[in-house]
Amino acid sequence: SQTIHQWPATLVQPVGSPLSLECTVEGTSNPNLYWYRQAAGRGLQLLFYSVGIGQISSEVPQNLSASRPQDRQFILSSKKLLLSDSGFYLCAWTPFEGPGNTIYFGEGSWLTVV
Amino acid sequence: GDSVTQMEGPVTLSEEAFLTINCTYTATGYPSLFWYVQYPGEGLQLLLKATKADDKGSNKGFEATYRKETTSFHLEKGSVQVSDSAVYFCASDGGATNKLIFGTGTLLAVQP
Repeated sequence: SQTIHQWPATLVQPVGSPLSLECTVEGTSNPNLYWYRQAAGRGLQLLFYSVGIGQISSEVPQNLSASRPQDRQFILSSKKLLLSDSGFYLCAWTPFEGPGNTIYFGEGSWLTVV
Repeated sequence: GDSVTQMEGPVTLSEEAFLTINCTYTATGYPSLFWYVQYPGEGLQLLLKATKADDKGSNKGFEATYRKETTSFHLEKGSVQVSDSAVYFCASDGGATNKLIFGTGTLLAVQP
């Protein structure tokens, strides 16, 4: 069966520090991968998605970047965090592109920038 | 552009009450529609989905019918339980890709 893991689960970082959140998917190949952010009291915002190694699409201009160095690995990064980067970050995947496919989410990572 | 609008929360109900959470969408294509649930401190789980007009998705006593004429996908449950307390998200894939567009979420609190 397929599983998705992301880490760390929680982190508190000072403003201006770097960030790295990692996500891996097991039990499948060539998944579509996504990073979403859920700010406090708000809905989910799609940040990045990837259909293959090295292929990253950014949905919203921001202080963050994403990379996909391996087929089932997706990394969210920042060189210098802002207070506004605080939120709940969710990695997700689908088996392939097409209508009606379920997106499966990881457990989430709580980021607090102080 | 495509969008999803769902009713504001929080919604507070007593156990065994009837639940409706409204959701409407706009889309240029023929979207698939989803309801996801987020329990406290967890990620999102798929609750149900419908891929074409008049389809009814159902799971765990929850139901939602894809209404193209009213561009709606309202979530219903006949008798809620305390364990249903969570945030519920309506979502659309816009019909063309797997980039889900989410509503803002509705917090449901069920009291014993």
